[in-house]
Amino acid sequence: NAGVTQTPKFRILKIGQSMTLQCAQDMNHNYMYWYRQDPGMGLKLIYYSVGAGITDKGEVPNGYNVSRSTTEDFPLRLELAAPSQTSVYFCASSYLRDSNNYGYTFGSGTRLTVV
Amino acid sequence: KQEVTQIPAALSVPEGENLVLNCSFTDSAIYNLQWFRQDPGKGLTSLLLIQSSQREQTSGRLNASLDKSSGRSTLYIAASQPGDSATYLCAVRYSNYQLIWGAGTKLIIKP
Repeated sequence: NAGVTQTPKFRILKIGQSMTLQCAQDMNHNYMYWYRQDPGMGLKLIYYSVGAGITDKGEVPNGYNVSRSTTEDFPLRLELAAPSQTSVYFCASSYLRDSNNYGYTFGSGTRLTVV
Repeated sequence: KQEVTQIPAALSVPEGENLVLNCSFTDSAIYNLQWFRQDPGKGLTSLLLIQSSQREQTSGRLNASLDKSSGRSTLYIAASQPGDSATYLCAVRYSNYQLIWGAGTKLIIKP
């Protein structure tokens, strides 16, 4: 019963580098999300997906890309990393049926520093 | 604009006390409200989920209430323990994907 698994847990990038944050869930949840959490702030939604093959932008999508080729996986791609992308990134999933959301499950986060 | 506010930002109380954390939201047309716990360097753990039609939910020493008309929710923690020390986050769902978060209350329980 792994839940939501995120890798890596920590990463340091140089400005201009690219990387992919991995996220996988084994609960057959249809919705998946990527959030970022800056110090002292609430979480901000980057991208979300309502099912395989369907993704959409959240509040702060600039500088990021996502894909959802399977129900289980929802990777987040950072292109041309910038210091403003230094943050903690959380992946989450939820199950939605008949407009009822049965709550969110979060991964343990990826702490990213761009220098 | 939909906003979620949590007051206080930090709270320190002696072990054994009962305490209340507050969450307020500007738009009362919510789907549900969820309380999470976040430990330093770790992910978020869901504590309680209250649907818009419900008034409260209980789990062990935790009780969460919801008053949509006043735009408020409270998380009541009974008989606090040092292990309760964490940041508590409130999140309000307004649509299938939109979850608006408060900035959290950092709780310290002193032994």
